[in-house]
Amino acid sequence: EDQVTQSPEALRLQEGESSSLNCSYTVSGLRGLFWYRQDPGKGPEFLFTLYSAGEEKEKERLKATLTKKESFLHITAPKPEDSATYLCAVYNQGGKLIFGQGTELSVKP
Amino acid sequence: EPEVTQTPSHQVTQMGQEVILRCVPISNHLYFYWYRQILGQKVEFLVSFYNNEISEKSEIFDDQFSVERPDGSNFTLKIRSTKLEDSAMYFCASSTGGNEKLFFGSGTQLSVL
Repeated sequence: EDQVTQSPEALRLQEGESSSLNCSYTVSGLRGLFWYRQDPGKGPEFLFTLYSAGEEKEKERLKATLTKKESFLHITAPKPEDSATYLCAVYNQGGKLIFGQGTELSVKP
Repeated sequence: EPEVTQTPSHQVTQMGQEVILRCVPISNHLYFYWYRQILGQKVEFLVSFYNNEISEKSEIFDDQFSVERPDGSNFTLKIRSTKLEDSAMYFCASSTGGNEKLFFGSGTQLSVL
């Protein structure tokens, strides 16, 4: 069964304290892994797409990496405005985008 | 920047009533989706729509649900007879291609009483 599991469920950081979020996936025929950011009461906002193992993408303090079984979202020197829920999602062969349960990140000043 | 717009932002209805959730996808997008998120749970796929027909649907999307693209700009989700368990945030999304990134609207919070 196609599955996406994210860890940890919640992460509390001090401003400037770097860390990583994990996304493990099981899908037959990966057609893209996506990272989204979701603020409370809002829709997911696209961050990155990764298609093949070894690929990396960066945007400001965020860097996403991909292996054959998992992806990491690295956050370098986070700021309070980075506080949000970060969602990982993969396309399965049926064309459905399957989401993980998310990691709720809180960055304290 | 183009965005997906959804109306209303909040909808309160009585159990058994019909509701229609409305969405205006990004204008040059060809693929349209509905997802839902029950409070504290995952974002769940409901249905995808391409070329004026459903291309994929989940087991959640039963006979009580239907989608329509009544004109060149709107995309609607109808729930014929709402149940308490239909209470959730419903997100519309659109994309340029079948395996491309999705752009999501801000959602409609549906509360069934």
